Amino acid sequence: GENVEQHPSTLSVQEGDSAVIKCTYSDSASNYFPWYKQELGKRPQLIIDIRSNVGEKKDQRIAVTLNKTAKHFSLHITETQPEDSAVYFCAANAGGTSYGKLTFGQGTILTVHP
Amino acid sequence: EAQVTQNPRYLITVTGKKLTVTCSQNMNHEYMSWYRQDPGLGLRQIYYSMNVEVTDKGDVPEGYKVSRKEKRNFPLILESPSPNQTSLYFCASSYSGSPYNEQFFGPGTRLTVL
Repeated sequence: GENVEQHPSTLSVQEGDSAVIKCTYSDSASNYFPWYKQELGKRPQLIIDIRSNVGEKKDQRIAVTLNKTAKHFSLHITETQPEDSAVYFCAANAGGTSYGKLTFGQGTILTVHP
Repeated sequence: EAQVTQNPRYLITVTGKKLTVTCSQNMNHEYMSWYRQDPGLGLRQIYYSMNVEVTDKGDVPEGYKVSRKEKRNFPLILESPSPNQTSLYFCASSYSGSPYNEQFFGPGTRLTVL
């Protein structure tokens, strides 16, 4: 089955710096890669997603890049703010008839220092 | 208000005592899913459902059962709970019969099995 590895497990940056979180996946048939943000004590919320027919997607300060050949995708946050502090999860779906199955990475705790 | 609800929010039980965690959504969503969240392991999918009467295993289905008799409800059943099922459980739903859209998460159910 699908295996998703996420790095780093913790990331500390100064306000205004950029943050990058990387994920690798194993199933070459995966075609959907969402990123979720979970603030302390809250439920996860989608922040951005990308499909395999697109190499990059941006939404204001957030961008995701996908390299299908290397089977990795990354989340980029620019001009970080203290409210970006949270746990971030990447995910990839399974290929074929199990495309409804989602496997998440282990999570990255991002801390943005004012 | 569009939402996903779970009940109970907190539960302490003993080994072997059957329990059900309910999940309901009022958004007419086709796709529903259950996850467990454990420190260091991220979110792991237990079961998912693409539509009524259609369910399939996620990454960690052992010890759990689900049913999808109605579109709005997707209960999670633990027939004989064990301490290793102590976890934070999230139910989620999305619009289409696939995960290719934002998943809306419920508030979570914190389960402790003694």
